[in-house]
Amino acid sequence: AQTVTQSQPEMSVQEAETVTLSCTYDTSENNYYLFWYKQPPSRQMILVIRQEAYKQQNATENRFSVNFQKAAKSFSLKISDSQLGDTAMYFCAFTGNQFYFGTGTSLTVIP
Amino acid sequence: DGGITQSPKYLFRKEGQNVTLSCEQNLNHDAMYWYRQDPGQGLRLIYYSQIVNDFQKGDIAEGYSVSREKKESFPLTVTSAQKNPTAFYLCASSMGAGTYEQYFGPGTRLTVT
Repeated sequence: AQTVTQSQPEMSVQEAETVTLSCTYDTSENNYYLFWYKQPPSRQMILVIRQEAYKQQNATENRFSVNFQKAAKSFSLKISDSQLGDTAMYFCAFTGNQFYFGTGTSLTVIP
Repeated sequence: DGGITQSPKYLFRKEGQNVTLSCEQNLNHDAMYWYRQDPGQGLRLIYYSQIVNDFQKGDIAEGYSVSREKKESFPLTVTSAQKNPTAFYLCASSMGAGTYEQYFGPGTRLTVT
């Protein structure tokens, strides 16, 4: 069975600081993709970043980057220079034959 | 602008009534999905469709029904058989099933009293 685990239900970070959100997954597939989605208070789900499992290089999108450890099945999201607009729920997701979401981490950026 | 629309944003119904939530996309995506989100929980898959006139049950399909008569549209009907219908419903689409990222609509908050 495929699973996605986010072990941090809530986190907070000071504005301008760096925070890392954790995600682990379990799969027997070799070809898959990983994603981080952001859900702000508006509840619109927004794709933040995507990582292909066959790529060793970690994906980066502006202030967002991932640390992808394929052997450990770990996929953490680092947010640098945190901004108030980063306050949101963050969902880790895995897709092979089907999409699987974690239960989310609620991040609060403190001014 | 390409995107996914869901209407209405808020929907209120009396218990025992069926209600249909709409989802339309103009992204030319083949696959479409319906998720349910309850407070403090992640997304749970209700139904998905990879192609017109075909759809499959997700993890929590009981009490729900769907149709896919057009590529652009994937309406979800919440039937009176659904025991706890009050929730936030999200529709998504992707280029195809499998490894493609999903794009989401703004969601519909359904309240049944």
